[in-house]
Amino acid sequence: GAVVSQHPSRVICKSGTSVKIECRSLDFQATTMFWYRQFPKQSLMLMATSNEGSKATYEQGVEKDKFLINHASLTLSTLTVTSAHPEDSSFYICSARQGVTSLHFGNGTRLTVT
Amino acid sequence: GQQLNQSPQSMFIQEGEDVSMNCTSSSIFNTWLWYKQDPGEGPVLLIALYKAGELTSNGRLTAQFGITRKDSFLNISASIPSDVGIYFCAGQYETSGSRLTFGEGTQLTVNP
Repeated sequence: GAVVSQHPSRVICKSGTSVKIECRSLDFQATTMFWYRQFPKQSLMLMATSNEGSKATYEQGVEKDKFLINHASLTLSTLTVTSAHPEDSSFYICSARQGVTSLHFGNGTRLTVT
Repeated sequence: GQQLNQSPQSMFIQEGEDVSMNCTSSSIFNTWLWYKQDPGEGPVLLIALYKAGELTSNGRLTAQFGITRKDSFLNISASIPSDVGIYFCAGQYETSGSRLTFGEGTQLTVNP
């Protein structure tokens, strides 16, 4: 079946540094991927829609200059958290759209900023 | 923005009991989805509903798409310990390009 791989699964970084998270569709092409953030005991909140070959669409309140999204190929989208701060610590999850209606989620990345 | 209210927030049940949770929306969705999330992992799709009134089963799980298109419920029958986790409903618009709006989640604990 379709698989979405997210890497790394866990990352710890120092405040002020940048972190890149990768989301890959392993056996299908995904023109659209989505990035979510989930704080402890809360729901998934959509951050942005990543479109292959074009700029990402950010949800209201999400800083595009802080959360850089690159969707350079049909199987890879990356989210870079720039100048990370402790409040950016969260669980980041991507999903990739296969076809018209199928969505497949990655296993998430636990980011801890110290 | 779109609001999805999911209840209950948490449930503590004995193994073998049936469970029911539901979601209501302030407006209409074209698709309702139910996911389960285990700690430290991404959500896994359990059931997808595409038509108002649709009732769909997946093993011990049954879900329905409300007639008004503003609500959905998920039932789990004869619960077992591995049912433990967080269950999320999610709604989707056809015109939203697969953007999902998630409910707040229901934390299920099953005591053996």
